Amino acid sequence: GNSVTQMEGPVTLSEEAFLTINCTYTATGYPSLFWYVQYPGEGLQLLLKATKADDKGSNKGFEATYRKETTSFHLEKGSVQVSDSAVYFCALSAWGNQFYFGTGTSLTVIP
Amino acid sequence: DVKVTQSSRYLVKRTGEKVFLECVQDMDHENMFWYRQDPGLGLRLIYFSYDVKMKEKGDIPEGYSVSREKKERFSLILESASTNQTSMYLCASTRGNAGELFFGEGSRLTVL
Repeated sequence: GNSVTQMEGPVTLSEEAFLTINCTYTATGYPSLFWYVQYPGEGLQLLLKATKADDKGSNKGFEATYRKETTSFHLEKGSVQVSDSAVYFCALSAWGNQFYFGTGTSLTVIP
Repeated sequence: DVKVTQSSRYLVKRTGEKVFLECVQDMDHENMFWYRQDPGLGLRLIYFSYDVKMKEKGDIPEGYSVSREKKERFSLILESASTNQTSMYLCASTRGNAGELFFGEGSRLTVL
């Protein structure tokens, strides 16, 4: 079956620190992979995506690489800001438009 | 700007009441979804729809029903609300074949 496992939080970092949020997946076939972000009081919005192995998604300084050999899609950012405080969800989409989400990782960045 | 609009951001209902949560998308998407979001559990799929008048159960359909009479509108119905349905409800839509999911801002329901 399909599933997503992501690093549990909460994560607290100082401003300008390096961020990694781990995400691994199990899937049949060739899924697309996503990172969504949810700011306080809002719905989820797409942060980045990758549709095939070795693709790198990037946006707003965040990056993630689709690693088929390790079934991973870890989110990274070199220098976090206070405005990055949010909940981050890793997700996959398999054939038939089924989406599978991780449980979310809460990030707090302190000045 | 593309948009998924949920009619109510915050609702407070009493146990046993019938609750309607409305969702409208303006992107002509075929696929629409209802999730609930709870701390520590992430997003869980309640129902989804691939077309008008079509619906499929997700992972946690018990206690819920849905209606899709028009392509742009997907409604979630709680026939008799219970306290364990207190949650954040998220509507989403996508075009076919593993495209991006677009989410509404969510409806936070409290059942007393």
